[in-house]
Amino acid sequence: AQSVSQHNHHVILSEAASLELGCNYSYGGTVNLFWYVQYPGQHLQLLLKYFSGDPLVKGIKGFEAEFIKSKFSFNLRKPSVQWSDTAEYFCAVKAGMDSSYKLIFGSGTRLLVRP
Amino acid sequence: DTEVTQTPKHLVMGMTNKKSLKCEQHMGHRAMYWYKQKAKKPPELMFVYSYEKLSINESVPSRFSPECPNSSLLNLHLHALQPEDSALYLCASSQDRDRGGETQYFGPGTRLLVL
Repeated sequence: AQSVSQHNHHVILSEAASLELGCNYSYGGTVNLFWYVQYPGQHLQLLLKYFSGDPLVKGIKGFEAEFIKSKFSFNLRKPSVQWSDTAEYFCAVKAGMDSSYKLIFGSGTRLLVRP
Repeated sequence: DTEVTQTPKHLVMGMTNKKSLKCEQHMGHRAMYWYKQKAKKPPELMFVYSYEKLSINESVPSRFSPECPNSSLLNLHLHALQPEDSALYLCASSQDRDRGGETQYFGPGTRLLVL
């Protein structure tokens, strides 16, 4: 069965620090990968996505992620975080290209950025 | 416009009540989804509708009954719920379930409390 692992459950950083959140998935076929963010009291928003092509994907608000197929990883990065990046971050995978469209989410990483 | 709207924002109901959650999108998306999100957990898929037909039911109890009256609307009818059903119920939509690369856009959710 497909699964997504986010090993960092809680991350605390100071403003201007660099961020890397880990995401690993288990699925051997074609995958579409996503990072969603959920700010306090707000709905899930798409940060970025990978479907094909350049494995380095740039998203909104200065976030980027790198798809490394050999490591089954899709880690999220940001060079310099801001207080406003405090949120919960979910990695998700849509496995396969057939008619079964299911987004499988990781357990999430709560990021707290201290001013 | 990538907006999915949900009503009501909050709902409190007793275990003998019947209520409905509503979701609406006007992006022309043909796939719509219901997810359940418990506190500090990732969203879990409940149902998928594609072209107004139920295509995925993730073994959800029959006290949850989805309905898709047209391509823009998705309802979730609730009856005889249990306190453990208290959660945030998220609606999402995407362009075409059977085409690769589409993104799911989420609504703000309905926060449900069952007493």
